Amino acid sequence: QSVLTQPPSVSAAPGQKVTISCSGSSSNIGNNYVSWYQQLPGTAPKLLIYDNNKRPSGIPDRFSGSKSGTSATLGITGLQTGDEADYYCGTWDSSLVFGGGTKLTVL
Amino acid sequence: QVQLQESGPGLVKPSDTLSLTCAVSGYSISSSNWWGWIRQPPGKGLEWIGYIYYSGSTYYNPSLKSRVTMSVDTSKNQFSLKLSSVTAVDTAVYYCARVQLVRAGRAYFDYWGQGTLVTVSS
Repeated sequence: QSVLTQPPSVSAAPGQKVTISCSGSSSNIGNNYVSWYQQLPGTAPKLLIYDNNKRPSGIPDRFSGSKSGTSATLGITGLQTGDEADYYCGTWDSSLVFGGGTKLTVL
Repeated sequence: QVQLQESGPGLVKPSDTLSLTCAVSGYSISSSNWWGWIRQPPGKGLEWIGYIYYSGSTYYNPSLKSRVTMSVDTSKNQFSLKLSSVTAVDTAVYYCARVQLVRAGRAYFDYWGQGTLVTVSS
């Protein structure tokens, strides 16, 4: 059971927008930075967002991150079938912690 | 381009010690970065194990701290993980990664290895 709560699954049609939430508390998200990772089937996680809303070089601007209070959100616009993956949020809570992951299905 | 590659036995017996090495290429491990391990049980989420600085300073997940030892070999540009007294619950894909640790509370993993499956079974 993770201290960060993510919905187990979300889905949307190609071309649409989807958001994935990551809910925590003042001991984690509320006072620390959030990162997001994409894990395509059978591959290693890949950094999508760091410091709440920054994108590493090479990550398209279709991916965005935000944080408000004790929750963070990953947004993906212009959904593509290649975006089907598991998405994890991560932050600090006395140690590094991850959310339970959200499976994105592009219908 | 920074690349990381895990290596080690894919099968470990219960109560034995799991040992893995992560070879880093395209980047000097002695640069100002921390280096970490994360694991993922089959079909489950990610769990941070710990990280190590090139100087040897370490920080471990409190839930695993009593069984974890990390080390670094700058001459070979690699770092290692040892997890003692393993049981079936330690069966997982183990990833090594570069850590951007700005300060406590501000850290993330920007480069990952491909991962290696370690099964604990007799």
